[in-house]
Amino acid sequence: ETGVTQSPTHLIKTRGQQVTLRCSSQSGHNTVSWYQQALGQGPQFIFQYYREEENGRGNFPPRFSGLQFPNYSSELNVNALELDDSALYLCASSPSAHSGNTIYFGEGSWLTVV
Amino acid sequence: GQNIDQPTEMTATEGAIVQINCTYQTSGFNGLFWYQQHAGEAPTFLSYNVLDGLEEKGRFSSFLSRSKGYSYLLLKELQMKDSASYLCALTTDSWGKFQFGAGTQVVVTP
Repeated sequence: ETGVTQSPTHLIKTRGQQVTLRCSSQSGHNTVSWYQQALGQGPQFIFQYYREEENGRGNFPPRFSGLQFPNYSSELNVNALELDDSALYLCASSPSAHSGNTIYFGEGSWLTVV
Repeated sequence: GQNIDQPTEMTATEGAIVQINCTYQTSGFNGLFWYQQHAGEAPTFLSYNVLDGLEEKGRFSSFLSRSKGYSYLLLKELQMKDSASYLCALTTDSWGKFQFGAGTQVVVTP
């Protein structure tokens, strides 16, 4: 149990639709990072939110957007879904003061685009 | 940017030792992590190195050489449950921003 909860766990969308994925971070963690993991690959960094502000972004198009709320939970929104967006989406929460084992991943949301 | 390389797959027998190498090129460095990921599950933290040397944690050890851009994860006394993907991950600035390798699938056979 990491204390990081993601929803939904599985979903199927049609190409062109929009999706919202949610992440509730562990208590006391004010930073949330989102990753996309295609089958057989390592996770790819999408973006990070720190205290409700975006704090860095990976190589993803603007149709990937996010939000962090005052309780530090977060959303990932993807517009105009494409087939290649099919992947496991992971969120990781961490505190601002860091040590090695204080980054925790949620179980992920499996997105299939058909 | 960063470039992280690790082998795609390794096979070993139960009770044996396996060493997973990870090489990287980076312009900044704030720590190297190893994660274990079972199929369909979230990555779980195994180890973290920020200084050169060996970190030992039970059956798992991790080594780092920053000058060589090299790390390894050593798994001793392999058990069947160790069959999983092992991810090498680099962080160069703020905590939680990782660049991951593609993962090494370890298959433990009886």
